[in-house]
Amino acid sequence: GENVEQHPSTLSVQEGDSAVIKCTYSDSASNYFPWYKQELGKRPQLIIDIRSNVGEKKDQRIAVTLNKTAKHFSLHITETQPEDSAVYFCAPYPTGDYKLSFGAGTTVTVRA
Amino acid sequence: DAGVTQSPTHLIKTRGQQVTLRCSPKSGHDTVSWYQQALGQGPQFIFQYYEEEERQRGNFPDRFSGHQFPNYSSELNVNALLLGDSALYLCASRKRQHNQPQHFGDGTRLSIL
Repeated sequence: GENVEQHPSTLSVQEGDSAVIKCTYSDSASNYFPWYKQELGKRPQLIIDIRSNVGEKKDQRIAVTLNKTAKHFSLHITETQPEDSAVYFCAPYPTGDYKLSFGAGTTVTVRA
Repeated sequence: DAGVTQSPTHLIKTRGQQVTLRCSPKSGHDTVSWYQQALGQGPQFIFQYYEEEERQRGNFPDRFSGHQFPNYSSELNVNALLLGDSALYLCASRKRQHNQPQHFGDGTRLSIL
């Protein structure tokens, strides 16, 4: 099965600064790479995803970069805002596998 | 367009009892997965259903069972509840095609006394 690690486990940034979370996975067959945001007491919400035929994808202040050779992908949040405070999970997904293997999560705190 | 809906939202049970949780997938989705999320941890995969059959299972005992109905809705059943079963149970749905994103419901908060 997929072994997923996220770093760092906690991240505190000043409002307006950037935040980067890295996700390392073990299964080279993985070809779908989503990031989920979970606010306290709420559902995980898909915020961005990337497929293995592209190296980078951007959506406003959020971007994901993928390095398949090194088996890691990263979430980048620019111009952070207090509402970005949440737990972020990566969940790489191999073809033919039907389950998401979640990382342990990164708690992001944006200081006003 | 309704998203993934789960019921009930909260549930309190005692050790040894049985519980049934329900999930209706997002419109157009045919595949349902269940996850257990303990406090402070990431969701752990329980199992997934497609075409009314269990397709894959995580590391959960047989006390955890499920079902999918012809309308794609699903149930999660847990027998002989233990204190350690206290968690948020999340349902996620997607279209069966590969690399389709999963969408989560709000979950059922299960507390075992």
